[in-house]
Amino acid sequence: ILNVEQSPQSLHVQEGDSTNFTCSFPSSNFYALHWYRWETAKSPEALFVMTLNGDEKKKGRISATLNTKEGYSYLYIKGSQPEDSATYLCAVYTGFQKLVFGTGTRLLVSP
Amino acid sequence: KAGVTQTPRYLIKTRGQQVTLSCSPISGHRSVSWYQQTPGQGLQFLFEYFSETQRNKGNFPGRFSGRQFSNSRSEMNVSTLELGDSALYLCASSGGIPGQGTDTQYFGPGTRLTVL
Repeated sequence: ILNVEQSPQSLHVQEGDSTNFTCSFPSSNFYALHWYRWETAKSPEALFVMTLNGDEKKKGRISATLNTKEGYSYLYIKGSQPEDSATYLCAVYTGFQKLVFGTGTRLLVSP
Repeated sequence: KAGVTQTPRYLIKTRGQQVTLSCSPISGHRSVSWYQQTPGQGLQFLFEYFSETQRNKGNFPGRFSGRQFSNSRSEMNVSTLELGDSALYLCASSGGIPGQGTDTQYFGPGTRLTVL
């Protein structure tokens, strides 16, 4: 059974702080890793899809890196804003041909 | 483009009943996946449909079933409901051909099912 683990489970930061979370997964049979942002009362929204070892993606103040050899991805938020408050999900796609999600990191950014 | 829509948004049922949830994907998307979320759990994969064919199924009992129509709309059915089936059910559509894992999933707002 593929386990995708995310840490920390939750995080509370002040506006302007930079923060990062981790997604860990078994490195064998890896195809792709997805990051999603899920705001309360909304639908999960795609941030990045990453496939290659060493891949780096950026969208505004949010960026992500991928290490497929050691099985982890980092998501960084620079200068957090209250509107960044959400649960951040990662999901891994393997040869079993389904997305396996972690339980998410819940971020709260206080003004 | 309209997003993924799911109906109904909320549903209350009693144990033993059955329920049907509906999902309309983004226009042009042929792949629809279903997920279940319960408290403390990540999104659990239920099944994926592409061009009316079930491509993959998660580890759920046979009470959970689904189908996809020629217009790519999908339904999932849960028979003989149990208390543990209370969850948020999300569907997601994507525009590519399944198998590579690189297609962005576009999620609907979900159906909140409560089983009493």
